[in-house]
Amino acid sequence: DAGVTQSPTHLIKTRGQQVTLRCSPKSGHDTVSWYQQALGQGPQFIFQYYEEEERQRGNFPDRFSGHQFPNYSSELNVNALLLGDSALYLCASSLVTYEQYFGPGTRLTVT
Amino acid sequence: AQSVTQLDSHVSVSEGTPVLLRCNYSSSYSPSLFWYVQHPNKGLQLLLKYTSAATLVKGINGFEAEFKKSETSFHLTKPSAHMSDAAEYFCVVTGPLYNFNKFYFGSGTKLNVKP
Repeated sequence: DAGVTQSPTHLIKTRGQQVTLRCSPKSGHDTVSWYQQALGQGPQFIFQYYEEEERQRGNFPDRFSGHQFPNYSSELNVNALLLGDSALYLCASSLVTYEQYFGPGTRLTVT
Repeated sequence: AQSVTQLDSHVSVSEGTPVLLRCNYSSSYSPSLFWYVQHPNKGLQLLLKYTSAATLVKGINGFEAEFKKSETSFHLTKPSAHMSDAAEYFCVVTGPLYNFNKFYFGSGTKLNVKP
């Protein structure tokens, strides 16, 4: 049983660019949540998707947007990248809102 | 509003001695609480969860945690540390699991295990 997968593993972008990160949930899971983990900090909740709708959102600007597809996979989009967006982006999947299973993350570096 | 405070950013123990990682939470309603572990360059792994059933929760790898409502605490313990326990540990609080709730992570505690 494949767990949560994320792509790409690493990404380098320039300030002002846009980026799309992808997540495939664990088999049988229908809810996807995204987190930003800056270096030396705990993950910060960005948003959560269920039935292709954003159900909850953390304290992140509108530059951060997402999408969930009918197969439950999800994308995180970040526009107008800032240096401060450099972080590990984690995707977690769950069955509705039960315990979350995390992917290995995408390391985004903004230069 | 909900929040989590992990009282120690670093804890160092000798192999074979007990581990105590402290977590206090703030929640406006009945919380669900979790502990996750993150090994270097690895994803987060669920250790254990509390969801309003038994207050003493047992997890994987010999870890357990006790929910104390009066103290708003959810400390993580293990009787005997192993070298492989060296990692960063995160305490997480959210609301009742039948709602769509935000998940709040603590700032993490790095556990060092000395031989």
